[in-house]
Amino acid sequence: KQEVTQIPAALSVPEGENLVLNCSFTDSAIYNLQWFRQDPGKGLTSLLLIQSSQREQTSGRLNASLDKSSGRSTLYIAASQPGDSATYLCAFYNTDKLIFGTGTRLQVFP
Amino acid sequence: KAGVTQTPRYLIKTRGQQVTLSCSPISGHRSVSWYQQTPGQGLQFLFEYFSETQRNKGNFPGRFSGRQFSNSRSEMNVSTLELGDSALYLCASSMNRVGYGYTFGSGTRLTVV
Repeated sequence: KQEVTQIPAALSVPEGENLVLNCSFTDSAIYNLQWFRQDPGKGLTSLLLIQSSQREQTSGRLNASLDKSSGRSTLYIAASQPGDSATYLCAFYNTDKLIFGTGTRLQVFP
Repeated sequence: KAGVTQTPRYLIKTRGQQVTLSCSPISGHRSVSWYQQTPGQGLQFLFEYFSETQRNKGNFPGRFSGRQFSNSRSEMNVSTLELGDSALYLCASSMNRVGYGYTFGSGTRLTVV
């Protein structure tokens, strides 16, 4: 059974810091990995999608990597801003469904 | 390009009632999935429909059901509501091709009293 763990569970940092959010999984038989952000009470916004044949994807200040051999994915946020405050979720696509991590709640203060 | 539309946004129901939630996927997307999000359990997969057929189902009781119409719009129904059904219900659509991700709607917040 696929289990997905995100570390840390919560993070509070001052504006401008570079951040690393971690996601680990137990089953390497994944197809895609997707990172989402969720604002309180809202739906999920897709940030980055990494196909199983890829190792990383970049969008603006965000970079996500995937290492299937070690069972890890990392989301790197450069020069964090207060608007980045949200919960970040990683999810693995496996057999017609997404399996979500436990989430990292990020707060960036001015 | 319109996103995934879920209606209604908020619902308050009484225990024992039933409820129907609606999801309109992105045009051209034939796969629609439903997820339940609660503070205690996080995001859990309910079921997935593709071309009007349920392809996959999560570990939920039979009170949770769904369907998909020929235009790919989907509904989910919960009968005999329980307090524990209070949650944010999220719908996601996908092109169902390797390499394509999921796009989520804003969700329906269901409160059972």
